[in-house]
Amino acid sequence: KNEVEQSPQNLTAQEGEFITINCSYSVGISALHWLQQHPGGGIVSLFMLSSGKKKHGRLIATINIQEKHSSLHITASHPRDSAVYICAVRISGTYKYIFGTGTRLKVLA
Amino acid sequence: NAGVMQNPRHLVRRRGQEARLRCSPMKGHSHVYWYRQLPEEGLKFMVYLQKENIIDESGMPKERFSAEFPKEGPSILRIQQVVRGDSAAYFCASSPLPLASQETQYFGPGTRLLVL
Repeated sequence: KNEVEQSPQNLTAQEGEFITINCSYSVGISALHWLQQHPGGGIVSLFMLSSGKKKHGRLIATINIQEKHSSLHITASHPRDSAVYICAVRISGTYKYIFGTGTRLKVLA
Repeated sequence: NAGVMQNPRHLVRRRGQEARLRCSPMKGHSHVYWYRQLPEEGLKFMVYLQKENIIDESGMPKERFSAEFPKEGPSILRIQQVVRGDSAAYFCASSPLPLASQETQYFGPGTRLLVL
């Protein structure tokens, strides 16, 4: 079993839909990142969380440390949101990151 | 302010050759991280460096791989005697402060290494 699990693996949505991507982890962490990898391969860091909730535009990320779970929400989804979304956790007491295998999102117009 | 630069963007090597991947962090950033993404797999942490120091190399294969971040110039990831299994995308990321300080990291475009 992977130490970082994401669900779903693949997601197709219609433009305008509310989208939720989940990340569960089984190790002690000091931070959790959500990354976006575009079809061309480039990676953008969306959020870094250690507690609570963060919002940036149409993106919202939450983390529940006790439950070892984080969610990434996209409101009013758009075709340009189509990408792979990756959850990464930093292991407590280290600089080492473990990555989920990603959620491939496709938003149809 | 230019972003993180990596070169080359694509690199083809024959088995047994050496591969040198370069990463120039964003201006003012003194912390560099290298990650590897194997085909159809997720990203994997390789090494974390500060200027002139390797801080955490727990993700680096023990043999053939080395990394440096000299006082002047880019960070270099070096792979000696490449094998087909080294074919992957190699990403570097930089941050101005250690990530432990809640700072985010900025990714380069990656180097796609193909070993024939």
